[in-house]
Formats: sequence, C-alpha cells, structure tokens
Amino acid sequence: EIVLTQSPGTLSLSPGERATLSCRASQSVSSNYLAWYQQKPGQAPRVLIYGASSRATGIPDRFSGSGSGTDFTLTISRLEPEDFAVYFCQQYGSSPWTFGQGTKVEIK
Amino acid sequence: EVQLVESGGGLVQPGGSLRLSCAASGFTFSTYWMSWVRQAPGKGLEWVANIKKDGSEKYYVDSAKGRFTISRDNAKNSLYLQMNSLRAEDTAVYYCAKWGAAWDYWGQGTLVTVSS
Repeated sequence: EIVLTQSPGTLSLSPGERATLSCRASQSVSSNYLAWYQQKPGQAPRVLIYGASSRATGIPDRFSGSGSGTDFTLTISRLEPEDFAVYFCQQYGSSPWTFGQGTKVEIK
Repeated sequence: EVQLVESGGGLVQPGGSLRLSCAASGFTFSTYWMSWVRQAPGKGLEWVANIKKDGSEKYYVDSAKGRFTISRDNAKNSLYLQMNSLRAEDTAVYYCAKWGAAWDYWGQGTLVTVSS
C-alpha cells in the first residue's frame, strides 16, 4: 500500500499569500496518478488537480500541481478567502487507492 | 447538472447490516466507474470500493473485503453498498463519487453510525 504523507499539517497564511503544500509517497506513484482535493467543513471534497498537474474543470488557474515519482506539490499562487480549507492528496496508480492525511490552510 | 444523492445511512448495532443507495442524474451513469469513499468523524478520507461501468469488476479496500458489496443498476442509475458485519470503526460519512479523471463529482454523503 502506498502511504501518502502531507506536510505541513497546518499552514497559517494571509489572503494574497502563496501556499505550498507537499505530498510525499512511500513508493513511486504509477504514471503520476495523483490528485488533489479541497474540502470545506460540512461539504464533500472537490477535485482540483488530477494526473499530478492537470487542473479539473472550473478550477481557477491560481491552483497548480507539480511533481512526479514520490514528491508532489500543490501551489496556490495567491490565496483567496474561499481557499481556506483542508487539502488532501490521493493516489490512484495502485490499489488500494490511498489519501494523505490532509493539510489545513488557515487564516493567519 | 450532475447530482449524486446518497441515502440509507443511520444507526446500526455492531454486527448489523445496512444498505446504502446513491441515485445519480445529469450524466450517462452506465459509462462511468463509480466509487464509495468514507470519512470517519473529524478524520481523513478512505476509499472503500470501486465498480466498473457494467458492474463486471469490483475492487475493495482490505477492511471491506468479505463484508461489503458494491453493486449498480444502470437501468435505475443507481449505485449501492451492502454492508454486513458492521464494526464501530465503520462509523463514517459515506460518499458516492463518480470517477472521471479523478473523483469529479461527489454526493453530500450519508452518515453511518455503528454503536450499541
């Protein structure tokens, strides 16, 4: 099973700042099959990025994904008020599909 | 508009059974893989099961194998999860999700509580 470790656990930033979230896999993620999701309290997750770097439909271009192999990054170039949420990475390259434990982006 | 609406959650005793349903609309249900994903209260996300477009292939997380069964009825645009031998650790919000290039649409979730 591929274990995904996200860091940091919590990121305290101000609106307008840049957020950099890390997701490290315990082994290489096949074909860079890695997605990022955003979840707000009381809501279902929303996909942001798939295939490590492809933005999902309707996702603003301030969200970008990068990385390959075992190291992946989600970058939010300029935080908007609606971006404060929990972010999860998820790999779908090998079964069982697994998630990271999440990074909370909170308002500083 | 794509909609996924789960139902069937509730309180069940350890060892009991529950059947979750997910009604899909707004897309051609029979052409997509579908999944169940769960989230224990205050915790992270866990993939539970996948089912192929025609129901011919099914995959489960180890903790669900032998206890849970995913199924679908393409004529009714519905996804199901039969859960047997439920344990306290199965307590979670269960989401049904459509697999596009990732889980691109999710339902609002249904809460399953396993407790005596």
